[in-house]
Amino acid sequence: DQQVKQNSPSLSVQEGRISILNCDYTNSMFDYFLWYKKYPAEGPTFLISISSIKDKNEDGRFTVFLNKSAKHLSLHIVPSQPGDSAVYFCAAHSGGSNYKLTFGKGTLLTVNP
Amino acid sequence: NAGVTQTPKFQVLKTGQSMTLQCAQDMNHEYMSWYRQDPGMGLRLIHYSVGAGITDQGEVPNGYNVSRSTTEDFPLRLLSAAPSQTSVYFCASSYGWEQYFGPGTRLTVT
Repeated sequence: DQQVKQNSPSLSVQEGRISILNCDYTNSMFDYFLWYKKYPAEGPTFLISISSIKDKNEDGRFTVFLNKSAKHLSLHIVPSQPGDSAVYFCAAHSGGSNYKLTFGKGTLLTVNP
Repeated sequence: NAGVTQTPKFQVLKTGQSMTLQCAQDMNHEYMSWYRQDPGMGLRLIHYSVGAGITDQGEVPNGYNVSRSTTEDFPLRLLSAAPSQTSVYFCASSYGWEQYFGPGTRLTVT
């Protein structure tokens, strides 16, 4: 059973507009959430994270929102740039000290010039 | 700092062959892990380690072995390669929530 779901395999937006990537989860024990970005032929790189005690975290053009009651988080990129074109993975941690993460299947974002 | 390094970058194996994928990190991270990435499947955890001498299974451990004799190294062994193990393999390390990934090894089993 997939515990972290990214239901949109792909998303296409125009440069300068907002990109919104969504992620849903089923495990209520998840206490920390992360977004990773992956370019082709490279390893994923950390983008932004949020603790379950917060509902928003912002870092430059990137903002993550967490709605615990809906078990939903989203990543907003404003304004979107062509260099943001990549696969974005949502990941969640379920507590404990082992730092194990459960990843979603990813969303391919394409930002068109 | 080289970060997380993986060798080889590419490998082709025949069914039944064995091999070891190497992973090393120079950040003194206690936590290390191996993932595989398959089309439409995201990143799935194979094995992980919380420190030297301590390893545990992840979501898809069958057909793989690991050991952690030093903080720096975390090799992944394929005992008898199968076509289902064709994938891209990523090693990661961390001291906290943020995991640092290596560049990956693309493995093809024919």
